[in-house]
Amino acid sequence: DAMVIQNPRYQVTQFGKPVTLSCSQTLNHNVMYWYQQKSSQAPKLLFHYYDKDFNNEADTPDNFQSRRPNTSFCFLDIRSPGLGDAAMYLCATSRGGTGADYGYTFGSGTRLTVV
Amino acid sequence: AQSVTQLGSHVSVSEGALVLLRCNYSSSVPPYLFWYVQYPNQGLQLLLKYTSAATLVKGINGFEAEFKKSETSFHLTKPSAHMSDAAEYFCAVKPGGYQKVTFGTGTKLQVIP
Repeated sequence: DAMVIQNPRYQVTQFGKPVTLSCSQTLNHNVMYWYQQKSSQAPKLLFHYYDKDFNNEADTPDNFQSRRPNTSFCFLDIRSPGLGDAAMYLCATSRGGTGADYGYTFGSGTRLTVV
Repeated sequence: AQSVTQLGSHVSVSEGALVLLRCNYSSSVPPYLFWYVQYPNQGLQLLLKYTSAATLVKGINGFEAEFKKSETSFHLTKPSAHMSDAAEYFCAVKPGGYQKVTFGTGTKLQVIP
């Protein structure tokens, strides 16, 4: 089945130690998103790629970076994780364009713990 | 700018009872509207979507929602709750022509045996 896969499901990292989360998709969707979700809160958009075009949200900290080497893969890099960055990180994909919208397809998420 | 308001962060219903989760939206352009469900430690799964076709939208797992433009609402209903419906539900709005979705703050549904 076509899907969005996030690895790892659980990640423990040390305070200040760089960490990379990965997302891959077999849907051939041209838009990929990274969301941060803290406990009992709505997902918060960090950034998204429309094809190769990177779109950063204004309030996304510089500590968060992303790479999309090809259509299928997208990475979230946290350069110096702080305790406040502990959260669930969700990757999502969608078809681009202004026509009928099919919603997002989400991965299962990566739960990040900072110790 | 668009926004979504979900009334009630927690809703409890008895098994077999009607489920009603409320969502009101604001959007400067005709919107697409969505309901997503999230089970613990999982990603979000699309339940249903409104994309300007029929105002009554049927989704998976017996859920449906009705788009009411005059009330700017998109409430989610299910006639009879199952234990497996216990989860968190997010309403979301996406103005047509934009790429970004705005999520509501979520409603946790508890189903009591």
